[in-house]
Amino acid sequence: QEQLVQSGAEVKKPGSSVKVSCKASGGSFSTYGISWVRQAPGQGLEWMGQIIPIFDTTNSAQNLQGRVTISADKSTSTAYMELNSLRSEDTAVYYCARGVGAAPSEYAFDIWGQGTVVTVSS
Amino acid sequence: SYELTQPPSVSVSPGQTASITCSGDKLGEKYACWYQQKPGQSPVLVIYQDDNRPSGIPERFSGSNSGNTATLTISGTQAMDEADYYCQAWDSSTALFGGGTKLTVL
Repeated sequence: QEQLVQSGAEVKKPGSSVKVSCKASGGSFSTYGISWVRQAPGQGLEWMGQIIPIFDTTNSAQNLQGRVTISADKSTSTAYMELNSLRSEDTAVYYCARGVGAAPSEYAFDIWGQGTVVTVSS
Repeated sequence: SYELTQPPSVSVSPGQTASITCSGDKLGEKYACWYQQKPGQSPVLVIYQDDNRPSGIPERFSGSNSGNTATLTISGTQAMDEADYYCQAWDSSTALFGGGTKLTVL
């Protein structure tokens, strides 16, 4: 059964960086997209960006450009999301999700990781 | 920038039909998806490409998308359907989510 397993919870200081991993198992990692979605406490879902490993292409949400880096290691079927210059508003649960569909701009997110809690506090 | 708008809450009696809307400019020209999220859990895809159900999703979940509105319909709503529901679409290579709708079954 295909699944995405994320790294554990993180506590970070404002101004620092965090890197969250997402390991895929049971499927063909490279041929799908992997998106990162976050959810602040009590809030809705916010898409951060995606990577398509087979093409090594990435794109990210405009409001996070310059702060977020999404990468992938095809040899280990693992995607990464690094967020820099952390502030308290970045406190959230961070999810990775597999995107499937005929084209990246039509992807639906059919498999989700279990979520990683990132807390930014001084 | 493109936005998707959902009602914050919808209430339904058990066994009745619940409809949750998602509005956006010319949304009918895009594909809409719907996700269910229960407290403390990851979202689950319940509808993709407007009106398709992934395997394992009950037949009582259906979707439509036309004009400026996509709709998630839950027929014969059960207590287990109580959750937050999010619509999602793509615009200019960016995935967008609606603000979410809390479905209460009472």
